[in-house]
Amino acid sequence: QQQVKQSPQSLIVQKGGISIINCAYENTAFDYFPWYQQFPGKGPALLIAIRPDVSEKKEGRFTISFNKSAKQFSLHIMDSQPGDSATYFCAARGNTGGFKTIFGAGTRLFVKA
Amino acid sequence: DAGVTQSPTHLIKTRGQQVTLRCSPKSGHDTVSWYQQALGQGPQFIFQYYEEEERQRGNFPDRFSGHQFPNYSSELNVNALLLGDSALYLCASSDNRGIQETQYFGPGTRLLVL
Repeated sequence: QQQVKQSPQSLIVQKGGISIINCAYENTAFDYFPWYQQFPGKGPALLIAIRPDVSEKKEGRFTISFNKSAKQFSLHIMDSQPGDSATYFCAARGNTGGFKTIFGAGTRLFVKA
Repeated sequence: DAGVTQSPTHLIKTRGQQVTLRCSPKSGHDTVSWYQQALGQGPQFIFQYYEEEERQRGNFPDRFSGHQFPNYSSELNVNALLLGDSALYLCASSDNRGIQETQYFGPGTRLLVL
């Protein structure tokens, strides 16, 4: 019930294409859904986040789509660039004390030039 | 403005030894969380410290313990190291007094247990 399932495990996209990463969760107590980007040798960096009362959030080339009834959310990267090549993690955080964040297993994205 | 810093960057230990990892939160942040990231996996929540107390804990054995100091910095201690403890240990800080959601991660400490 605490898991966040992420797919695909890896993704290869042509430059200029759209990268799509999907996540699903079970625990309805989750109330905050961030996406993190991690480059080799670095810690994860917050990319974009959404709350369940919103169905979509867009920041630049990055968009989160959220389906509360299906308990699914996805990250779309428009006009993907080689510099976007990294590992992406979806995550979910509960609304009880401590705000523990549960991460998906990650998606390794490679954008071909 | 310094972000989250961690030390050391790399560490090699042998089974059965003990290790202490250190974290300084981003300026203005009072909450520190620790995560373990095994190779090719997502970060796993170990515990979180706020007001010098452990506020929440993940599914980790008591060999993992921590501490938060009055200046909000934190330590992670692991006793009786196992080979399976080899991982990247990440510290994340946030501000409990304001917008709690944004966690800023440090670069991590890579621990290798031989």
